[in-house]
Amino acid sequence: DADVTQTPRNRITKTGKRIMLECSQTKGHDRMYWYRQDPGLGLRLIYYSFDVKDINKGEISDGYSVSRQAQAKFSLSLESAIPNQTALYFCATSGGQGIQETQYFGPGTRLLVL
Amino acid sequence: GDSVTQMEGPVTLSEEAFLTINCTYTATGYPSLFWYVQYPGEGLQLLLKATKADDKGSNKGFEATYRKETTSFHLEKGSVQVSDSAVYFCALSDSSNTGKLIFGQGTTLQVKP
Repeated sequence: DADVTQTPRNRITKTGKRIMLECSQTKGHDRMYWYRQDPGLGLRLIYYSFDVKDINKGEISDGYSVSRQAQAKFSLSLESAIPNQTALYFCATSGGQGIQETQYFGPGTRLLVL
Repeated sequence: GDSVTQMEGPVTLSEEAFLTINCTYTATGYPSLFWYVQYPGEGLQLLLKATKADDKGSNKGFEATYRKETTSFHLEKGSVQVSDSAVYFCALSDSSNTGKLIFGQGTTLQVKP
């Protein structure tokens, strides 16, 4: 079984709708991250969390919110989806070793906002 | 702020050719450097990393050396295979010691038989 899972894998929604992307991990890691990937831009950090009570904004948090329901679960919400939020979204986890730590990525959620 | 610049792709090579993907960075402090690979339809996975100057990371025939004097971390492989076709991302760890990664834009590699 995969260590980091994301649901759904693909989603089509309409402008103005609220949607939630979910991430679960079985690695026992405290740190979790949400990124979006756009062609030619690499991955950009949306939000990150060091534990259930510690949630921080990344470089592109506007239009997004998150919830850390448990150590193993970290959800990303788009309160009112807009077309420029069409992207590939990745969840990642890490074990908290600071600058040396490896991040482990889920398979991604492909989101299309019409 | 910190940043990573990779050579633009796509890179198209024949099987057994030599591969170089250039990566340069700008950072305060002493970041760790990473190469992640994304195979079609999958998430990213760590390929190799180096945590201090002159360190060489290696894995699966790929190598990269942390060059502080040229602020570079170029990825090399002596003989590529069709199975190496993927998108390669260079990244550095945020200097705030939070574990955040800053990624380059990615380089697509296509290897033809």
